[in-house]
Amino acid sequence: AQSVTQPDIHITVSEGASLELRCNYSYGATPYLFWYVQSPGQGLQLLLKYFSGDTLVQGIKGFEAEFKRSQSSFNLRKPSVHWSDAAEYFCAVGRSNYQLIWGAGTKLIIKP
Amino acid sequence: DTAVSQTPKYLVTQMGNDKSIKCEQNLGHDTMYWYKQDSKKFLKIMFSYNNKELIINETVPNRFSPKSPDKAHLNLHINSLELGDSAVYFCASSLTGQRQETQYFGPGTRLLVL
Repeated sequence: AQSVTQPDIHITVSEGASLELRCNYSYGATPYLFWYVQSPGQGLQLLLKYFSGDTLVQGIKGFEAEFKRSQSSFNLRKPSVHWSDAAEYFCAVGRSNYQLIWGAGTKLIIKP
Repeated sequence: DTAVSQTPKYLVTQMGNDKSIKCEQNLGHDTMYWYKQDSKKFLKIMFSYNNKELIINETVPNRFSPKSPDKAHLNLHINSLELGDSAVYFCASSLTGQRQETQYFGPGTRLLVL
């Protein structure tokens, strides 16, 4: 069955430290992969997406993600987090029928 | 110049009432969606319309009825509201093509049923 797993329910990182949020997927075909961010009380905003080509994708707000087909992963990274990065992060896989399969989300907490 | 807008932003109502949430997008997209996000932040697709035609209809109580008067609007009507309907409801839109395109989300409608 198609699924997306975000193993970490929440992650705490010190401000200025590096960040990696994990995402693993199960999907038979070539995946379309997305990372969205939801700030408190807000809607979801696209951070970045992978459709094809270069497996290292750059997004907004200094985020990047790397698609690794052999590991079925699409992990999100940022070299140095800011307090404003505190939010919920969602990984998603696109199906052919316009539907997205969503992970359960990872809550990022920033320590001052 | 909001891309995807929803009204109202907050909705507090009593059990048994009927309420509607409206969604509009000005992106020229042809597909629109309704999602429900529960208290644990889990996102669940409810419905999707493509060119005013229902294409996704997940297992949702038939008290929920979507209506798409045109490609730019997708409304959600909920009859006989129950406590378990309390959640955040997100509208989204995308442009369909040969591949899965990015979905753009509205700010959400926070529904509280008392």
